[in-house]
Amino acid sequence: SQTIHQWPATLVQPVGSPLSLECTVEGTSNPNLYWYRQAAGRGLQLLFYSVGIGQISSEVPQNLSASRPQDRQFILSSKKLLLSDSGFYLCAWSGALNEKLFFGSGTQLSVL
Amino acid sequence: RKEVEQDPGPFNVPEGATVAFNCTYSNSASQSFFWYRQDCRKEPKLLMSVYSSGNEDGRFTAQLNRASQYISLLIRDSKLSDSATYLCVVRDTGGFKTIFGAGTRLFVKA
Repeated sequence: SQTIHQWPATLVQPVGSPLSLECTVEGTSNPNLYWYRQAAGRGLQLLFYSVGIGQISSEVPQNLSASRPQDRQFILSSKKLLLSDSGFYLCAWSGALNEKLFFGSGTQLSVL
Repeated sequence: RKEVEQDPGPFNVPEGATVAFNCTYSNSASQSFFWYRQDCRKEPKLLMSVYSSGNEDGRFTAQLNRASQYISLLIRDSKLSDSATYLCVVRDTGGFKTIFGAGTRLFVKA
């Protein structure tokens, strides 16, 4: 069966520090991968999606970037965090187009 | 207009009640529709897909009206454990862009 791992679960970082969140998927090949952010009390906002190694699409301009160095690895990064980067970050995967999304357990990021 | 709009909630219902959530979407070309459930500070989890003919999973019934661009979720015989936020989800024709509604909060009380 397929599983998705995301870490860390909680992260507190000072403004201006770098960020690296990692997500890996097991039990499937060539998944579509996604990064979402959920601000407190708000809906999920799609940040990036990837259909293959090295292929990244950005949905909104922001202080973040994503990379996919391996088929089942998706990384969210920032060189300098802003206060507005605080939120609940979720990695997700799907199989073929229009299939349902499955989420990792999320990372609660607090930028202070 | 938001791409996916849901009832604002919260809904406060007693155990055993029937409750219905509504959702509208703006892109008439949308292809796939889902309901997700999200507990506080947890990841969203798939509750059920929504098919044009309507579908049922135990106490949960989902319906889709493409002409009106409207999705619904009906929960019968509410349980305390149904307390959560319910997210309406729409995927576009390309399949990559998945739009989540802001969610409807449900509280089921004893």
